[in-house]
Amino acid sequence: QVQLQESGPRLVKPSGTLSLTCAVSGGSISSSNWWSWVRQPPGKGLEWIGEIYHSGRTNYNPSLKSRVTISVDKSKNQFSLKLTSVTAADTAVYSCARVETAPIYYFEYWGQGTLVTVSS
Amino acid sequence: DIQMTQSPSSLSASVGDRVTITCRASQSISSYLNWYQQKPGKDPKLLIYAASSLQSGVPSRFSGSGSGTDFTLTISSLQPEDFATYYCQQSYSPPWTFGQGTKVEIK
Repeated sequence: QVQLQESGPRLVKPSGTLSLTCAVSGGSISSSNWWSWVRQPPGKGLEWIGEIYHSGRTNYNPSLKSRVTISVDKSKNQFSLKLTSVTAADTAVYSCARVETAPIYYFEYWGQGTLVTVSS
Repeated sequence: DIQMTQSPSSLSASVGDRVTITCRASQSISSYLNWYQQKPGKDPKLLIYAASSLQSGVPSRFSGSGSGTDFTLTISSLQPEDFATYYCQQSYSPPWTFGQGTKVEIK
């Protein structure tokens, strides 16, 4: 069973950079899957942030693209998210997920999620 | 972006009731539609993929239907563990987008 675990600072100052890592266990990050980040502001719905393949190829949500970087570390079997110039609107539960693409694209396995608060 | 609209936003139902949740896409997405269940403090769980395919391990009381722009998630006989929030998600074209959620509460 694939398991994902998010880690990183829970509190980020406005205008700072949010950095999270997703550790993958029970499976290889070099498998034929995309690896994604999704967030959920308190009391609101789900928003896809972006994704990465083990080759380093990425896709980002255009609404966040100018501020987002997703990277992969195959040696540690993990991938990471960086979101720059954060504001209170970026306060959310951030979750990583493994994507299955056959027969269609869906989020198959999720991490537990971590609440990141943007506040001074 | 493809907008996904769910209805209702919330509903109250009793154990044993038949529950139907609707999801509408802003453009045709063929059958590229998934349904997730989320309980408070937990990560979403995939229920249905490709509009009508039941994910392994998901009880058969859950079913999905539809294609094009209109989709339905049905719970044939609501169980206590089914009280949760349900989301649809389109996988026709990025950015992948979700509905706003439907909260199923106990009547």
